Amino acid sequence: DADVTQTPRNRITKTGKRIMLECSQTKGHDRMYWYRQDPGLGLQLIYYSFDVKDINKGEISDGYSVSRQAQAKFSLSLESAIPNQTALYFCATSDWTGGVSNTGELFFGEGSRLTVL
Amino acid sequence: GESVGLHLPTLSVQEGDNSIINCAYSNSASDYFIWYKQESGKGPQFIIDIRSNMDKRQGQRVTVLLNKTVKHLSLQIAATQPGDSAVYFCAESRGYQKVTFGTGTKLQVIP
Repeated sequence: DADVTQTPRNRITKTGKRIMLECSQTKGHDRMYWYRQDPGLGLQLIYYSFDVKDINKGEISDGYSVSRQAQAKFSLSLESAIPNQTALYFCATSDWTGGVSNTGELFFGEGSRLTVL
Repeated sequence: GESVGLHLPTLSVQEGDNSIINCAYSNSASDYFIWYKQESGKGPQFIIDIRSNMDKRQGQRVTVLLNKTVKHLSLQIAATQPGDSAVYFCAESRGYQKVTFGTGTKLQVIP
């Protein structure tokens, strides 16, 4: 089983619909992230959370919301989907504390491909 | 503001040759840098990292060089293999906070 699991893996929806992408992890990491990837572009940070009570906006948070239900679960919602939110969405986790023996490696899920018609 | 950019969108390299992928960053306060590899249909995977108090770090067939004076980062892959074909991203962070990614370079290995 994957350490970072995203559901659904693929979703096609219509403009105006509410969509939730879910992420769960078995790595025991406190830090969780949601990124968006558009074709030919890098990953843009949507939201991130460093623990259950901590939620932070990233570079492109408008039109998105998140919920950190537990240490292992971090959900991304599109309240009213629009076509330009068509993209590949990645959840990632990290246990980064900045210590010498600790890296800032992000562990990614397989991605959720969302198409908004 | 913070931004991380790459010089070349696509790099073609003969199998067995060395590859060099470059990255420029604009935030002089960035203190931690990571290279990721993304294969088709998969999430990015960590390759190597370097902290700002270092100029060079080596891993297995990979070397990362950091030039803080010109805010430049490079990834060198020795003896490039077909399995190295992927998109490579540099990423930066400051103060162990959020991680910002560049736009990526596609590496094509010619057999």
